[in-house]
Amino acid sequence: AQSVSQHNHHVILSEAASLELGCNYSYGGTVNLFWYVQYPGQHLQLLLKYFSGDPLVKGIKGFEAEFIKSKFSFNLRKPSVQWSDTAEYFCAVNVPFSSGSARQLTFGSGTQLTVLP
Amino acid sequence: DADVTQTPRNRITKTGKRIMLECSQTKGHDRMYWYRQDPGLGLRLIYYSFDVKDINKGEISDGYSVSRQAQAKFSLSLESAIPNQTALYFCATSERTAVYGYTFGSGTRLTVV
Repeated sequence: AQSVSQHNHHVILSEAASLELGCNYSYGGTVNLFWYVQYPGQHLQLLLKYFSGDPLVKGIKGFEAEFIKSKFSFNLRKPSVQWSDTAEYFCAVNVPFSSGSARQLTFGSGTQLTVLP
Repeated sequence: DADVTQTPRNRITKTGKRIMLECSQTKGHDRMYWYRQDPGLGLRLIYYSFDVKDINKGEISDGYSVSRQAQAKFSLSLESAIPNQTALYFCATSERTAVYGYTFGSGTRLTVV
């Protein structure tokens, strides 16, 4: 079965530090890739997405992610984090259901980011 | 108004009780999903629906049932709640290919005591 791995379960950084969160997936076909953010007590919101083309994708709030097809990776980065970036971050990949052409999102287990003021 | 609305936002119920969580959407999406979120486990798919007449089990459907009353409404029921069903439940919607990702509701925090 297809899977998405987020190796960092909890990351703690000080404000202004640089951030990189890892995401690897196992599906070998064409994929669309997503990063979602969940602020404390809130629902998941789309941070950025990759469809095709330029593998470096820019999202909201200064986040970006790089798709490296050969490594099956889609790592999230931010040059300088802020206290308000404290949240849980989920990587997701849309992969086919077992039959047909419809697709579903498969989520990683999430990375909790804590930014210390 | 939110694109995907879940009710209730919080609920405490007793073991053995039946409870229904409701989800409605204004996105016009055909696909609707129910997930549960547990710390360290991410999001796990309970049920999904391609349209009103097409409902499918996800990876953790035992103990749950669903009803797609209309294109815009998708309810999740716990027939006899148990404590390990304590979790945060999310409804989500998408168009057919999910190429734009999912739109999530605000979630229902369910506690079974």
